[in-house]
Amino acid sequence: SYVLTQPPSVSVAPGQTARITCGGTNIADKNVHWYQQKPGQAPVLVVYDDTDRPSGIPERFSGSNSGNTATLIISRVEAGDEADYFCQVWDNTNDHAVFGGGTKLTVL
Amino acid sequence: QVQLQQWGAGLLKPSETLSLTCTVYGGSFNGSYGSWIRQPPGKGLEWIGEINNSGTTNYNASLKSRVTISLDTSNNHLSLRLTSVTAADTAVYYCARGSVTSFWFDPWGQGTLVTVSS
Repeated sequence: SYVLTQPPSVSVAPGQTARITCGGTNIADKNVHWYQQKPGQAPVLVVYDDTDRPSGIPERFSGSNSGNTATLIISRVEAGDEADYFCQVWDNTNDHAVFGGGTKLTVL
Repeated sequence: QVQLQQWGAGLLKPSETLSLTCTVYGGSFNGSYGSWIRQPPGKGLEWIGEINNSGTTNYNASLKSRVTISLDTSNNHLSLRLTSVTAADTAVYYCARGSVTSFWFDPWGQGTLVTVSS
């Protein structure tokens, strides 16, 4: 089964840029999607297909995907961005969705 | 704005059957998948399975023998049944609308905490 690896935690000061990575074998060949989950709430899609943003998501959220690593980039980080972030791909071999273990973003 | 609302029993005993339902407001499951995803307390997300408008289902292999997902297109009711539950099935269960193109999930239901305890 395809495995996605995320760092457990990332810390960043307000106004700085946060980069959250998602590692997987040849992940550049897959479409990567990112979700934000705040405590007690359902996940919200913030980036899909590597780089696209759903309606209503601030332009500060962007993504990249190359080689074995996809990255969620949050520019000008705000206190309200503090949350868990999950990456997700479709495993074509096993025909199911796969999620990374999640990264807790702390705003210092 | 499309919203999903879900409901179902939150406390089960071991060996009982989990049953949850989800409906869409402001849209439908037409042209998308109805999906279920769960999250054990303090842990990550696990995809359970999906169904399309034609009734074709696809399940996580680890749960396939116990899971049934159904979709009533007349009222946009998406359902999940999980039989023979154990403590390991304790989790928040989410319904979500899935993309048929590249399989992202948006939006999600509010989640239902299901606790399995004797």
